[in-house]
Amino acid sequence: EVQLLESGGGLVQPGGSLRLSCGTFGFTFSSYAMHWVRQAPGKGLEWVSGISNSGAITYYADSVKGRFTISRDNSKNTLFLQMSSLSAEDTALYYCAKDLRPGRNYAELDCWGQGTQVTVSS
Amino acid sequence: QSVLTQPPSVSGAPGQRVTISCTGSNSNIGAPYDVQWYRRIPGTAPKLLIYANTNRPSGVPDRFSGSRSGTSASLAITGLQAEDEADYFCQSWDKKLSGSWVFGGGTTLTVL
Repeated sequence: EVQLLESGGGLVQPGGSLRLSCGTFGFTFSSYAMHWVRQAPGKGLEWVSGISNSGAITYYADSVKGRFTISRDNSKNTLFLQMSSLSAEDTALYYCAKDLRPGRNYAELDCWGQGTQVTVSS
Repeated sequence: QSVLTQPPSVSGAPGQRVTISCTGSNSNIGAPYDVQWYRRIPGTAPKLLIYANTNRPSGVPDRFSGSRSGTSASLAITGLQAEDEADYFCQSWDKKLSGSWVFGGGTTLTVL
């Protein structure tokens, strides 16, 4: 069974940093592109970042470009999101999600974790 | 303001058919880039219902169908059930600026 388990969320002050992790189980992690998607309180889904299966290609939403860095460790089946210069607008539930088809980076997100909450507040 | 526009809410009685629209532009759906549809029940993770405009992942019942035409896409749900009450989101790629995936603002489906 495919499982995604996010961790690393918490309360952080404006301007601070946080590193999210997503441990994965039940599939060949190195074959699939992965993504981060967030949902702010009372708002819809917002795609944040994506990374190819090899890690060579990364994508970012304009709202986080230059502040967030996505990466992966295929030897440990783990996805990361390094977040810096955080502001209140980054407060959200952060999900990691897996692309449907191996080797493709189409953001057809067929499996999602339960999310980790990030709250930016002083 | 989402790049992809969805109606805030739709409703239908059990057994009926409802459709949810997703209106974009020539920089996304009309480019044309593929559209995905997700369902999110509050308190749970989103679920992929439709990918690449019309395709259902394994396990998604054929009551759910998707279509794309011009700069818009639609999700149709037939034989409405109480368990279908949820939020529905469309998603596509947008080539403006450096390009990114974008979601619609979401539609809340109420089963009457």
